[in-house]
Order: sequence, then C-alpha cells, then structure tokens
Amino acid sequence: DSGVTQTPKHLITATGQRVTLRCSPRSGDLSVYWYQQSLDQGLQFLIHYYNGEERAKGNILERFSAQQFPDLHSELNLSSLELGDSALYFCASGTSGGYLGTDTQYFGPGTRLTVL
Amino acid sequence: DAKTTQPNSMESNEEEPVHLPCNHSTISGTDYIHWYRQLPSQGPEYVIHGLTSNVNNRMASLAIAEDRKSSTLILHRATLRDAAVYYCILRDLNNNYGQNFVFGPGTRLSVLP
Repeated sequence: DSGVTQTPKHLITATGQRVTLRCSPRSGDLSVYWYQQSLDQGLQFLIHYYNGEERAKGNILERFSAQQFPDLHSELNLSSLELGDSALYFCASGTSGGYLGTDTQYFGPGTRLTVL
Repeated sequence: DAKTTQPNSMESNEEEPVHLPCNHSTISGTDYIHWYRQLPSQGPEYVIHGLTSNVNNRMASLAIAEDRKSSTLILHRATLRDAAVYYCILRDLNNNYGQNFVFGPGTRLSVLP
C-alpha cells in the first residue's frame, strides 16, 4: 500500500459525458502527478501540482483539467469524453516539487475509466 | 531526460537471481537512474535509484557500470510476486520544473514456478 488513495476504482460512462477522478496523496506529500495508461500508449504524464499550484503539463488534452485543493487532494476532470479516453488513470504523490533527480513518486491504485 | 533501452521481456525461474539490464548511453553526469515496477493491475512502484555507486535496499540491488552507460537491476531471489513490468528511468538532478518521469515500454518479467 503506497498510501495514495484514488476514487472511484472503476467508472463506466458514455461518450460526451464528464467525470471527476479524485486522488489523496500520502500524508506529508505536497506534489500530485496524474498519468494516463492506455494499452497502445503506455504511461503518459498529464499534469503535476505542487502545494496547490500547477507545476507542469504533459500530454493533457484541453478537455481535461485538474486542480489541487488546500487539503492537498487533487481532482482530474475529464469532459466531452470519447471512446479513446478509456484508460487507467493513476495519480502519484511526492514530497518535493518534482525538480530533483532523487525525487520518488508513489503511485495510487488507479481509476479504470471505460467510455461506452 | 535521456533515453533508456531495455529488453522487451525476460523470463526467470522462481528462487533464482534475475538481472534486468538497462542501457543509457547518453546519460549525463547529473542523471539519476531510477527503477520502478508495475505489478499486474497495480500502479507503478518505486524499486531503487542511484547515481554512481551500487545501491542495495530490501527489494533489490542496482549495479551501475563504471562509465554509467548501463545499469542492472538485480533481484536476488525471484518470487512469483516479482512478475511485473520493470521500468528504467533517468532523472536529471538539475532538471527544470515540468520534467517528469518518462516511462518507456519497460521489461516484462515472467517468473516460472
């Protein structure tokens, strides 16, 4: 158990809908990272928040957005969903701001999103 | 981040040592070598990291070549639970904000009973 929690575990929805994925980092961690893992793309970095502020964006679509709240939990919002958005979504947490070579990320169990 | 190359898959017998190689010929002097693994139906899990010297922890050992252009993750006694995809990743000590882990395809390790 990494100490990172993600809800829900599974989510099934229809095209065009909007969903929210939630992540609670390990106690004391200020960074939250979001990743998407699909069968054909592997693990892709989406976005990074540190202590409430966006630090970096990766291959995140404009239909997707995220935020980190004062209690440090984070939400990933996916809208206008398409079939291709079906994937596993992982969040990870870390202590530092993500700019150190020694940084370690602790991953949650993931949310499996199925878009029908 | 510099690129790494790993074999697509490897097999091992249970209770035998496993040596997982990683080539990183373009590594820079400030790149740390990280290893993560992803067990079936789980998120990636940190295994070990190092810079120049060999490293040991409760999960594995990391052997780093003298020229740092390659490294080997060593599982001393493979168990069925070690069957996973193993990712070798380089992280620059001085990288800028926004440089996050780039996961390649990794090595899928199968452990035979």
